[in-house]
Amino acid sequence: DQQVKQNSPSLSVQEGRISILNCDYTNSMFDYFLWYKKYPAEGPTFLISISSIKDKNEDGRFTVFLNKSAKHLSLHIVPSQPGDSAVYFCAAENQGGKLIFGQGTELSVKP
Amino acid sequence: ETGVTQSPTHLIKTRGQQVTLRCSSQSGHNTVSWYQQALGQGPQFIFQYYREEENGRGNFPPRFSGLQFPNYSSELNVNALELDDSALYLCASSMRGEGSYEQYFGPGTRLTVT
Repeated sequence: DQQVKQNSPSLSVQEGRISILNCDYTNSMFDYFLWYKKYPAEGPTFLISISSIKDKNEDGRFTVFLNKSAKHLSLHIVPSQPGDSAVYFCAAENQGGKLIFGQGTELSVKP
Repeated sequence: ETGVTQSPTHLIKTRGQQVTLRCSSQSGHNTVSWYQQALGQGPQFIFQYYREEENGRGNFPPRFSGLQFPNYSSELNVNALELDDSALYLCASSMRGEGSYEQYFGPGTRLTVT
């Protein structure tokens, strides 16, 4: 039972353009969502988060949008840079501090 | 501020053996969570420790056990290793009770079971 899904295993974007990474979830009780970035041979690095009471949160080039009625969130990166190339994980917090992760999307930003 | 550290970095064990993985949480954090990440998958929650007590567990058998020490460092023990236990084991620390849900991960321990 995959409660958090990232349906695109990979995404390729040109440098300077917008990257949009998508995530769907099934449990309406999730109250907090997070995005992590992971480089090979490193642990996931926290990127940005959003509470379920909001629909948008921005931090520099990164913006997360939450659509609760559709149970969908997305991460926008603009402008995309080659250093953004990594695997991006969406995660939902399940009351009690347990993070439930999606399968990840590998982003490749080409110069 | 010291980040999350894990040891060892890599480990090779034989099926049936036992293994202990270690984690030092970020300074100021009181909660440690352990995750297993298989190749091509997202991290899967194993369990969480808060103030030396287990505080939530995922769908892992009892041969996965853990400890948290008074300094908030933690150990993950796996008995009777199986081939499917081969994975990256991640430790994450957080500060429970401050309304923050962010967990900060260490670099992981790559376990290979042969």
